[in-house]
Amino acid sequence: AQSVTQLDSQVPVFEEAPVELRCNYSSSVSVYLFWYVQYPNQGLQLLLKYLSGSTLVKGINGFEAEFNKSQTSFHLRKPSVHISDTAEYFCAVSERAGGTSYGKLTFGQGTILTVHP
Amino acid sequence: KAGVTQTPRYLIKTRGQQVTLSCSPISGHRSVSWYQQTPGQGLQFLFEYFSETQRNKGNFPGRFSGRQFSNSRSEMNVSTLELGDSALYLCASSLVVAGSGETQYFGPGTRLLVL
Repeated sequence: AQSVTQLDSQVPVFEEAPVELRCNYSSSVSVYLFWYVQYPNQGLQLLLKYLSGSTLVKGINGFEAEFNKSQTSFHLRKPSVHISDTAEYFCAVSERAGGTSYGKLTFGQGTILTVHP
Repeated sequence: KAGVTQTPRYLIKTRGQQVTLSCSPISGHRSVSWYQQTPGQGLQFLFEYFSETQRNKGNFPGRFSGRQFSNSRSEMNVSTLELGDSALYLCASSLVVAGSGETQYFGPGTRLLVL
């Protein structure tokens, strides 16, 4: 079984400042890693994903994340945030091999990012 | 390409009733997963269907069921509604190609309120 821990439930930041949203995971098998964003009253939008290869992954809206296998982390970063980045962000994992984890994402509890002017 | 669509977007039911939610995946996607999102429990996996077969199921009571049709559209049903079933129900579809990580794309959700 996998689990995902998002270390901060809320992150306030000023506009144009850098931000890091932290995510740690636990799994007995290899995983794929994802970050999703949810704006109020909307579904989840994929920001970026790590499947294999380079551990630094770039996504939409200027976000990037780095996979660290030894620390089982997948932190999300943005060098300069905008008011429009205010939303809830979810880290998620899925097992690489199907079996009992077909179609299943395991999510963290979410981090609410609030960007202040 | 059109995204994942879910109908209805909002629903109000009373305890004891049943409800059916619908999901149309992205064209060409054959896997559909369902999730329940609540403030207390967060995002929890309900079940997944691929080629009309349930391949995986989360830890929910039997009142929660689903099915998938030959065109990959999916429905989920909740019978004997309880107050605790009030939630945002999200559907996601994926392509299921080796090495793709079965990346899931989500619909806007159906918000269910049980009174």
